[in-house]
Amino acid sequence: QSALTQPASVSGSPGQSVTISCTGTSSDVGAYNFVSWYRQHPDKAPKLIIYDVNNRPSGVPDRLSGSKSGNTASLTISGLQAEDEADYFCASYRGRIDLDVVFGGGTKLTVL
Amino acid sequence: EVQLVESGGGLVQPGGSLRLSCAASGFSFSDSWMNWVRQAPGKRLEWVANINEDGGVQKYVDSVRGRFTISRDNAENSLFLQMNSLRVEDTAVYYCANAKAPGTFGYWGQGTLAIVSS
Repeated sequence: QSALTQPASVSGSPGQSVTISCTGTSSDVGAYNFVSWYRQHPDKAPKLIIYDVNNRPSGVPDRLSGSKSGNTASLTISGLQAEDEADYFCASYRGRIDLDVVFGGGTKLTVL
Repeated sequence: EVQLVESGGGLVQPGGSLRLSCAASGFSFSDSWMNWVRQAPGKRLEWVANINEDGGVQKYVDSVRGRFTISRDNAENSLFLQMNSLRVEDTAVYYCANAKAPGTFGYWGQGTLAIVSS
């Protein structure tokens, strides 16, 4: 199955900023602004943190931000906090009847 | 408060069947596309299927088409996934999630674990 590419892991110290990339193709990330990001703590359900490339749901702090350039989307977390340590997944709409949505492989964020 | 509660997972032998359910509350279920997304142990999330507001349109990932059927009961605010001819590779936690936008999952349930093993 086609999938989006994310780095396996990133790390940063409290207060620093980190950026997680998500690379797709001209059929998904590059074609639509329906890119979303999810945070998942161990043994918990994913939680939506960014949608439509750069919008935050209610309750998500503005130190989390999203962007996109071409076929690559990015999630930036500034002012790292211990609670940010989690797995982060990106997703993009693809719009095919046999593959409506593609996910990234996930990135483990470690707060040092 | 939005709640999505899955049930129906369990242990089944290859070739067997399971029917997953998802009880929804706290949002307008009948106005929402709904999805099933799964996550095999230690693996990435994988979109499995979705269904439109009135149940007239269903989409499936290639690996489950012909074996899985997604359906809904808007009167009961419930989503279902009938899984037949199960394979070992179908072992995963199955989440139901509503669609905030195309390809975007607004809220997720806690998941239900389906294990296919002999």
